Amino acid sequence: EIVLTQSPGTLSLSPGERATLSCRASQSVSSSYLAWYQQKPGQAPRLLIHGASSRATGIPDRFSGSGSGTDFTLTISRLEPEDFAVYFCQQYGRSGVTFGGGTKVEIK
Amino acid sequence: QVQLVQSGAEVKKPGSSVKVSCKASGGPVSSYAISWVRQAPGQGLEWMGRIIPILDIANYAQKFQGRVTFTADKSTSTANMELSSLRSEDTAVYYCVAGSVGDYWGQGTLVTVSS
Repeated sequence: EIVLTQSPGTLSLSPGERATLSCRASQSVSSSYLAWYQQKPGQAPRLLIHGASSRATGIPDRFSGSGSGTDFTLTISRLEPEDFAVYFCQQYGRSGVTFGGGTKVEIK
Repeated sequence: QVQLVQSGAEVKKPGSSVKVSCKASGGPVSSYAISWVRQAPGQGLEWMGRIIPILDIANYAQKFQGRVTFTADKSTSTANMELSSLRSEDTAVYYCVAGSVGDYWGQGTLVTVSS
């Protein structure tokens, strides 16, 4: 099973700042099979990025994904008030699906 | 636009079973894989497995092998997840998810296991 480790656990930032979230895999993940989700309290997760860098339908361009192999990054260029939430990475390769533990982006 | 509507919250005794349903509408749902993901209170996301209704093929995460069963009724576009031998650690919100990735999510079903 591929283990995904997200860091930091919590990111305290102000609106307008840039957020950089990390997801590290225990073994190489095909870039085609790395996704990022946003989850707000009481809601189901929402797909933001798939294939490591492709934005899902309707996702603003301030969200971007990058990386390959074992190191992936989600960047939010300028935080909007609605972006404060928990973010999860996910790999969905042939061996199954696993999620990272999440990064909470909170208002500083 | 694909919509997934799940059945309501359940309270179960340890050792019993629970069945959660997920009705899909809109879009080519018959061709989508339906995954099941759970989230314990205050915790992260855990993938339980998936079913491809059009092929009637299911794959289960090793952790849940032998304890979970996925079924799908193509005529009603409904997928079901049954989890048996429930224990307190199974208390969680259970989500159905459709799409090649996690494109579409149900609203979640809270299953509480308590004596």
